[in-house]
Amino acid sequence: QVTLRESGPALVKPTQTLTLTCTFSGFSFTTSGICVNWIRQPPGKALEWLARIDRDDDKSYSTSLKTRLTISKDTSKNQVVLTMTNMDPVDTATYYCARDGYNLNYFDYWGQGTLVTVSS
Amino acid sequence: DVVMTQSPLSLPVTLGQPASISCRSSQSLVYSDGNTYLNWFQQRPGQSPRRLIYKVSNRDSGVPDRFSGSGSGTDFTLKISRVEAEDVGVYYCMQGTHWPDTFGQGTRLEIK
Repeated sequence: QVTLRESGPALVKPTQTLTLTCTFSGFSFTTSGICVNWIRQPPGKALEWLARIDRDDDKSYSTSLKTRLTISKDTSKNQVVLTMTNMDPVDTATYYCARDGYNLNYFDYWGQGTLVTVSS
Repeated sequence: DVVMTQSPLSLPVTLGQPASISCRSSQSLVYSDGNTYLNWFQQRPGQSPRRLIYKVSNRDSGVPDRFSGSGSGTDFTLKISRVEAEDVGVYYCMQGTHWPDTFGQGTRLEIK
């Protein structure tokens, strides 16, 4: 059974760095074609893809946010970490991690999401 | 970035009636491998998104067969043959053919 779970602070202050962790089970990065993504959703708004990492540690980032994002993985712990620097109130959103399955099987499983509020 | 445009943005439907959501992309979504990476997601109130359809027309496991996807190139459609109460929520199309992945604005389905 594939599961993903996001964790991290519920509240961060403007200019701070956000660190989120996605802990998953039921699959591993040893499987060919597996990727883990971060996607966010501001309250009442649409989904926005942020970053992806694959088994070979290849990383890709949103064009508009790439200077602020870093994605990394710990294969032994089945975790993917996203850091976002210089947080602003407009970054208030629910942050999801989602898996890409084998053969470009985009976003086949999602975590429950974690709401991050940016406020002083 | 490829722009995904959904219509309508709000869709009131009577229970038992059909519903249809359109999604248009700013570029063809046919990939070099011949596949078209157009997916549909459902987000029920208070829940995470759930994938319904992948590669235009393939239903995910556990998705009722009243949901169907069709289309090609730049024009795609999600149809619900008979809307049930559990179908209330927001529906998103998403493309994975061109980097970066992009989503539509979402279509809110409600019961009349």
